[in-house]
Amino acid sequence: QSALTQPASVSGSPGQSITISCTGSSSDVGSYKYVSWYQGHPGKAPKVMIYEVSTRPSGVSNRFSGSKSGNTASLTISGLQAEDEADYYCSSYTSSNTYVFGSGTRVTVL
Amino acid sequence: QVQLQQSGPGLVKPSQTLSLTCAISGDSIFSDFSAWHWIRQSPSRGLEWLGRAYYRSKWLTDYAVSVQSRITINPDTSKNQFSLHLNSVIPEDTAIYYCTRDFDSPSGYWGQGTLVTVSS
Repeated sequence: QSALTQPASVSGSPGQSITISCTGSSSDVGSYKYVSWYQGHPGKAPKVMIYEVSTRPSGVSNRFSGSKSGNTASLTISGLQAEDEADYYCSSYTSSNTYVFGSGTRVTVL
Repeated sequence: QVQLQQSGPGLVKPSQTLSLTCAISGDSIFSDFSAWHWIRQSPSRGLEWLGRAYYRSKWLTDYAVSVQSRITINPDTSKNQFSLHLNSVIPEDTAIYYCTRDFDSPSGYWGQGTLVTVSS
């Protein structure tokens, strides 16, 4: 099972919107609602920002939203803020009863 | 409040077995709705799901293809904990290892992480 494909880096200015893609296949992203997005900082466990494609946990800013089309899931951060600068990962359940993570995207706030 | 406390060595020699334990408090390892996972993170490989154990009338396990020939996840029901055993380790297995409950949900919990270095 290869890692889901994410862009290595995405950047934006404060207040802008950015979108991170997560491309898999019909064996994972394309077939299941179990796609999640995580925010990661060095030395800390990742934090779930979106689960089941588009559901936001309580306490997560409504500036974060998720969607899916075909084999590609997306995370959009609107109204970009300095505190959003971090690494972002996606994950998906797979048809092999396993899970796979994305390759990770570094978000930089300019 | 669920807490996961990891323990195990931080240094393992090549070709030997990496063994970590995750002690669960605030929940039962027999939970019908939860699964207990091991995940690792390294600068070169990012986040990598390794495997899980879960109880659905019996114990079940699933493992990542990349490590399935070398990995075992064992529940220890008498101590309410579970363990990771990864044999024949190589330097590329150097990573921070995390145990988690339901890592992909808002009700997920993570251990504190253990940096394991594979080196002679």
